[in-house]
Amino acid sequence: SQKIEQNSEALNIQEGKTATLTCNYTNYSPAYLQWYRQDPGRGPVFLLLIRENEKEKRKERLKVTFDTTLKQSLFHITASQPADSATYLCALASGGGATNKLIFGTGTLLAVQP
Amino acid sequence: DADVTQTPRNRITKTGKRIMLECSQTKGHDRMYWYRQDPGLGLRLIYYSFDVKDINKGEISDGYSVSRQAQAKFSLSLESAIPNQTALYFCATSDKPQAGAYNEQFFGPGTRLTVL
Repeated sequence: SQKIEQNSEALNIQEGKTATLTCNYTNYSPAYLQWYRQDPGRGPVFLLLIRENEKEKRKERLKVTFDTTLKQSLFHITASQPADSATYLCALASGGGATNKLIFGTGTLLAVQP
Repeated sequence: DADVTQTPRNRITKTGKRIMLECSQTKGHDRMYWYRQDPGLGLRLIYYSFDVKDINKGEISDGYSVSRQAQAKFSLSLESAIPNQTALYFCATSDKPQAGAYNEQFFGPGTRLTVL
């Protein structure tokens, strides 16, 4: 069956360090992958999208990689700040691009300590 | 004002009651979605609609129904609520993608529903 895995354990890092979050999937061939941020009691907010033919995407302090051979995406936050503390969700396209349906992982909680 | 709004924000109800959750958007998007979020299970798709006349079941539609009253409004109903429908419910919207493009989803603030 199709499965998306994110580390369920919280990731604790020191301010200024690089946070790296992992998203692994099985039995998928997604056309693209998205990352969202979710703060407690709020809806997810879109951060980045990466296509299957892209290896890496950057936006300010954020970087996403997509390895379709390993079936894995890595999400990096450089020079992390306490304000980056949140749950980060990865989401994979289900079906072709025109359907725009997403399958979400369970998320990883990031805690950045000052 | 928020682009995607949900009402109510919190609701406590009893088993067997009929409940409607409402979603409105001002983004002008054709596509709307309903998800539920449970601890350890992540976001799961209940129903989605690509336009007013196109409504589709998602991963977990049993026990739920929807109505797309207009482009901007998409309601989720629990015909006879049961305790395992206690969850955080999110509405989301997205624009129809251009050919070869993929669009992000915009989420509302959520409705916390408790069924006793």
